[in-house]
Amino acid sequence: EVQMLESGGGLVQPGGSLRLSCAASGFTFNTYAMNWVRQAPGKGLEWVSAISASGGSTYYADSVKGRFTIYRDTSKNTLYLQMNNLRADDTAVYFCAKDVRGVIPYYFDSWGQGTLVTVSS
Amino acid sequence: EIVLTQSPGTLSLSPGERATLSCRASQSVSNNYLAWYQQKPGQAPRLLIYDASSRATGIPDRFSGSGSGTDFTLTISRLEPEDFAVYYCQQYGRSLLTFGGGTKVEIK
Repeated sequence: EVQMLESGGGLVQPGGSLRLSCAASGFTFNTYAMNWVRQAPGKGLEWVSAISASGGSTYYADSVKGRFTIYRDTSKNTLYLQMNNLRADDTAVYFCAKDVRGVIPYYFDSWGQGTLVTVSS
Repeated sequence: EIVLTQSPGTLSLSPGERATLSCRASQSVSNNYLAWYQQKPGQAPRLLIYDASSRATGIPDRFSGSGSGTDFTLTISRLEPEDFAVYYCQQYGRSLLTFGGGTKVEIK
């Protein structure tokens, strides 16, 4: 069974940093691209970032480019999102999502349950 | 960036009725690379449809997708109680992925 478990969310002050993790199991982790998708309270879904199966290619939404970094550790079957210079509008539940392909982001066939990030002073 | 506009924002229907949800793109979605997801409160989204019209594994055949280019539709032929939820479209024709704003299907 495919499972993804996010962690690392919490309360952080504006301008601060946070690192999210997503521990994956039940599939061959180094075969699939992985994504982060977020959802602000009461709002819709927003794709944040993707990384190819090899880790050699990364993709970012304009809203986070230059502030967030996605990476993966195949030895630990874990996906990460390093978030720097956080702003109030980054407040959201962050979902880890498994892609159906390996190279460029497509669509997502499995999702974690999400971790809440709150940016507030 | 391809902007996806979903309509209506809210659809009020009764169980057994037909639901028709629209997703319009600001420019043509290459290869009709469009997916639909269902999300219930407090849960992660679930993939329903990919490539505009292909049902994902385990999705009942009352869910169907259609469309091409800039206009796409998700149809639920007969609403079951568990179908009342929010539905999102997502395009993957460009590597900068985007979602629509969602359509809430609520019980009338």
